[in-house]
Amino acid sequence: AQSVSQHNHHVILSEAASLELGCNYSYGGTVNLFWYVQYPGQHLQLLLKYFSGDPLVKGIKGFEAEFIKSKFSFNLRKPSVQWSDTAEYFCAVKIPRLANTGKLIFGQGTTLQVKP
Amino acid sequence: DAGVTQSPTHLIKTRGQQVTLRCSPKSGHDTVSWYQQALGQGPQFIFQYYEEEERQRGNFPDRFSGHQFPNYSSELNVNALLLGDSALYLCASSLALRERDHEQFFGPGTRLTVL
Repeated sequence: AQSVSQHNHHVILSEAASLELGCNYSYGGTVNLFWYVQYPGQHLQLLLKYFSGDPLVKGIKGFEAEFIKSKFSFNLRKPSVQWSDTAEYFCAVKIPRLANTGKLIFGQGTTLQVKP
Repeated sequence: DAGVTQSPTHLIKTRGQQVTLRCSPKSGHDTVSWYQQALGQGPQFIFQYYEEEERQRGNFPDRFSGHQFPNYSSELNVNALLLGDSALYLCASSLALRERDHEQFFGPGTRLTVL
């Protein structure tokens, strides 16, 4: 069965530090990839997505992610975090061959705490 | 433009009872998906509804059932509640014709506690 693995469960950084959150998936075919963020007390929101083309994807709030097909990875990065980036981050995968279903497979999430 | 709305916000039930959760999709969306998010875990796909029919189902027992109405709103029903059903239940909506550019918009969730 397809799965998504996020290696970092809890990350603590100081403001201005660089961030990289790991995400790996287990599926050999074509995938669509997503990063969602859940700020305290708020809904899940889409940060960025990859469907095809340039493997370096830029999202909102200065986040970016790189799809490396050979490593089955889609790591999230930000050069300089802010206190307001404190949130839970989820990587998710959709298998497009399973068309017309829209099922997202989520990782278990990474809690990011940014210290001011 | 209202986003995805869910009701109720919180719910407390006892084992064996039945519960109904409700979801109204974002304006213009016709597809509704339900997810269960246990504490400390990522959301897990329960099922998806389109044109009032269940399109796909995740690995959840038949105690979990749903419905979609002609106005695209949806209900999630859980029968014979177990302690393990305690979780945040998320509803997400999307537009079927734009699957290629797929984005699911999530609601705030319903926090279900089973005692």
